[in-house]
Amino acid sequence: AQSVTQLDSHVSVSEGTPVLLRCNYSSSYSPSLFWYVQHPNKGLQLLLKYTSAATLVKGINGFEAEFKKSETSFHLTKPSAHMSDAAEYFCVVILPRAGGTSYGKLTFGQGTILTVHP
Amino acid sequence: GAVVSQHPSRVICKSGTSVKIECRSLDFQATTMFWYRQFPKKSLMLMATSNEGSKATYEQGVEKDKFLINHASLTLSTLTVTSAHPEDSSFYICSARFHRDSYNEQFFGPGTRLTVL
Repeated sequence: AQSVTQLDSHVSVSEGTPVLLRCNYSSSYSPSLFWYVQHPNKGLQLLLKYTSAATLVKGINGFEAEFKKSETSFHLTKPSAHMSDAAEYFCVVILPRAGGTSYGKLTFGQGTILTVHP
Repeated sequence: GAVVSQHPSRVICKSGTSVKIECRSLDFQATTMFWYRQFPKKSLMLMATSNEGSKATYEQGVEKDKFLINHASLTLSTLTVTSAHPEDSSFYICSARFHRDSYNEQFFGPGTRLTVL
């Protein structure tokens, strides 16, 4: 079985300060990991993905994440928050084909709401 | 980039009626589409996986007779909520994937807000 835990339900930062959204995963297989962002009443937009290539992944809007197998983590960071970053962020894991019946299914974390103060 | 649309974006209906939601991949062929449900302030819950030309695979606890899914073409999947009740009110999101035999990225639609009165 696979699971994803986002360690913070809410994160609040000031504009211009760094952002850290934490994600830990559990998987019996080598997973692919994604971060999605959802603005209110909108669909999900892919920020970045890890698929067993480089462990440091750069995404859109200045976000990046580092896959650390030893820590089973895939934390999302951004050096300087912008007001437009305020949204909900989801860490997502997907199993490869070897994952059996769970192959191809996305498992979502609980979500982290990011608030950015002026 | 790959674009997925949903129609309608919002729908309000009376209890007991049926509502159909469409999910279209606009610029690619989607062999597999997924339907999710999102409760307020909650994460997305996968309802079913739909492969073109075959029956949908429903997740445990999802009533297949209540949530009818049809994936008649490579660019269109529909979700019909039959005999809707207020507890079916939710945000429904579809996603589409290019290839059946890979775990490629899923592209998400903008969602449909269903309110059942």
